[in-house]
Amino acid sequence: TQLLEQSPQFLSIQEGENLTVYCNSSSVFSSLQWYRQEPGEGPVLLVTVVTGGEVKKLKRLTFQFGDARKDSSLHITAAQPGDTGLYLCAGFHTGAGSYQLTFGKGTKLSVIP
Amino acid sequence: NAGVTQTPKFRILKIGQSMTLQCTQDMNHNYMYWYRQDPGMGLKLIYYSVGAGITDKGEVPNGYNVSRSTTEDFPLRLELAAPSQTSVYFCASSYSQGSGNQPQHFGDGTRLSIL
Repeated sequence: TQLLEQSPQFLSIQEGENLTVYCNSSSVFSSLQWYRQEPGEGPVLLVTVVTGGEVKKLKRLTFQFGDARKDSSLHITAAQPGDTGLYLCAGFHTGAGSYQLTFGKGTKLSVIP
Repeated sequence: NAGVTQTPKFRILKIGQSMTLQCTQDMNHNYMYWYRQDPGMGLKLIYYSVGAGITDKGEVPNGYNVSRSTTEDFPLRLELAAPSQTSVYFCASSYSQGSGNQPQHFGDGTRLSIL
C-alpha cells in the first residue's frame, strides 16, 4: 500500500490569513490530484499535477508538485469562508493493471469570518 | 446534467441484513469505482471496474460484491451487514485512468449505519 501523509489534519484560521497544507509520501507518483470535499457531498477535483516541480494556480490557490514527485503542497492566499472544507490529495501510480488512486486522510480547513 | 447518482442517500441496516447500493453515471465513462470513507481515514477503494463485465478488487473488498453489466451502472452489494461496514460510501467514475490525468467524478454518497 502506497501511503500519503497529509498535514495538518485540522486547521482553523481567520478570514484573510494565508495557509499551506502538505501531502507527503516515500513513494514516487506519476501524477497527483487535489480534491475538495464539502459536508454531505462527494470530493470535487481542484487540480492535477504531473511534472516534477510543476506549479499550478487556481485563483487564490497555488499547487506545487515536488521535484522528486513524492510530495505536494497547497497554498491558499487570503483565505475566505468559502474555502472551508476537507482537502484531499490523491496519488496515482503507473504500472501493469494499476488503476488506483491512493488518497491521503485529508486536511479539514475551517475559515472563520 | 446528473453526473454520478447514488441511491439511497441514507440507510440503517440490522446486523446480518443485506442490501445493494446503487450507482449510475450518464457520462459514458468506462471506469467506475466504489470507495468507503470513515471519519479521519480518507477514502479507501473497495472495488473498481474498467468496463462492462470487468471488475477487480481494491484495498478493502472483504464483505462486498459488485457487478458491471452495463457501462452506466455499478451496484455494490453487502451480503451480511456487519457493524464494521458502517461508513459513507462513494461511487465515482472517470473517462480513463491509464495516465492518471483524468478526474474522478463522485456521487454525493450513501450514509450507511449497521446496528
